[in-house]
Amino acid sequence: KAGVTQTPRYLIKTRGQQVTLSCSPISGHRSVSWYQQTPGQGLQFLFEYFSETQRNKGNFPGRFSGRQFSNSRSEMNVSTLELGDSALYLCASSLRGNPYEQYFGPGTRLTVT
Amino acid sequence: QQQVKQSPQSLIVQKGGISIINCAYENTAFDYFPWYQQFPGKGPALLIAIRPDVSEKKEGRFTISFNKSAKQFSLHIMDSQPGDSATYFCAARGQGAQKLVFGQGTRLTINP
Repeated sequence: KAGVTQTPRYLIKTRGQQVTLSCSPISGHRSVSWYQQTPGQGLQFLFEYFSETQRNKGNFPGRFSGRQFSNSRSEMNVSTLELGDSALYLCASSLRGNPYEQYFGPGTRLTVT
Repeated sequence: QQQVKQSPQSLIVQKGGISIINCAYENTAFDYFPWYQQFPGKGPALLIAIRPDVSEKKEGRFTISFNKSAKQFSLHIMDSQPGDSATYFCAARGQGAQKLVFGQGTRLTINP
């Protein structure tokens, strides 16, 4: 089975711009979660989507949003980028419910200048 | 209550030695505790996980020890190898939720 794929792998944006990141989960996985990883804050949960609905949201401003499509692929969007948004954005997919294992993709490295 | 505290921040172990990383949590609603291994430039990879109804789980050289009353769990890597050099994260998940709460990570270096 192919793993979680994320595109693009690297991105450089300017403050004030917006960005869209994409995630394709493992085949058969319908739950997709997004995490932000920074050296200072570590890994922090952004949100989770299941069956095209946001089921859980972390403590991030409204500039961070996402969606999930009927094929379980997910996108996250960050508007009005700030320097502090520079991070590795990770997507994880899982079968919802038992077992709980979440499998991560390689991430998208976003640099905001 | 949502925090998971991980120690040490960095660890150096000689090849063949035992690496031990510890985590503590407060939220008694957590019911699933995975460990992830991350190499530079890669996403975290699930290593091993445990439920609170089990005190120990072993997979190859990796063992999780779980102490429910102390709200602590630890990862032991036996016969540590240079290829084990990576950052390790413990995490916890609340019942019925998909959100993982991560520890701050431990950078493990195995000296040859």
